[in-house]
Amino acid sequence: NAGVTQTPKFQVLKTGQSMTLQCAQDMNHEYMSWYRQDPGMGLRLIHYSVGAGITDQGEVPNGYNVSRSTTEDFPLRLLSAAPSQTSVYFCASSFGQGVTYGYTFGSGTRLTVV
Amino acid sequence: AQSVTQPDIHITVSEGASLELRCNYSYGATPYLFWYVQSPGQGLQLLLKYFSGDTLVQGIKGFEAEFKRSQSSFNLRKPSVHWSDAAEYFCAVGAGGSYIPTFGRGTSLIVHP
Repeated sequence: NAGVTQTPKFQVLKTGQSMTLQCAQDMNHEYMSWYRQDPGMGLRLIHYSVGAGITDQGEVPNGYNVSRSTTEDFPLRLLSAAPSQTSVYFCASSFGQGVTYGYTFGSGTRLTVV
Repeated sequence: AQSVTQPDIHITVSEGASLELRCNYSYGATPYLFWYVQSPGQGLQLLLKYFSGDTLVQGIKGFEAEFKRSQSSFNLRKPSVHWSDAAEYFCAVGAGGSYIPTFGRGTSLIVHP
């Protein structure tokens, strides 16, 4: 099994550009989440999904959109990139509630906005 | 709402020495508790988790953690550290009814030869 796959691994954007960070899992996990990691801030939740067609906002959702049309995929869209969105982004998935089963993480996407 | 505090930003130990990383949580009832490890340039890997029962939990890579309700703590321990344990360690807490765990800010472990 590949687990949680994130693409791309690295990306440089100009301010105002849009892009989509891809996340796919092959474990038939119901729960998927996007986090951003910044130095000294730990991981902060952006958006999460508890199943196909169901998404909700996390702690820092502004500037990001998500959708969940299939169980496997959970893309994160940046509509108009800003330097404040420079970060490392992690996608994670869980069989059930993350509080019960723990999350499997992807290897991350390092995004720089100039 | 739940919260978690990792008081130590950096911890430095010598290889072969014992290790204890601190984690304190805030929640009114018994929470779900986790420790994750992140090696440089990698995602997070689950080390161990606690839900209920025995307060001493064994995890992978020789790590263990002890839940102490009276101190609202869930400290991570290892009796003898290896150079490969150098990494960032995250404590996370989740409460029943909440889908998503909350992560601490992390503790960076440095291992001297």
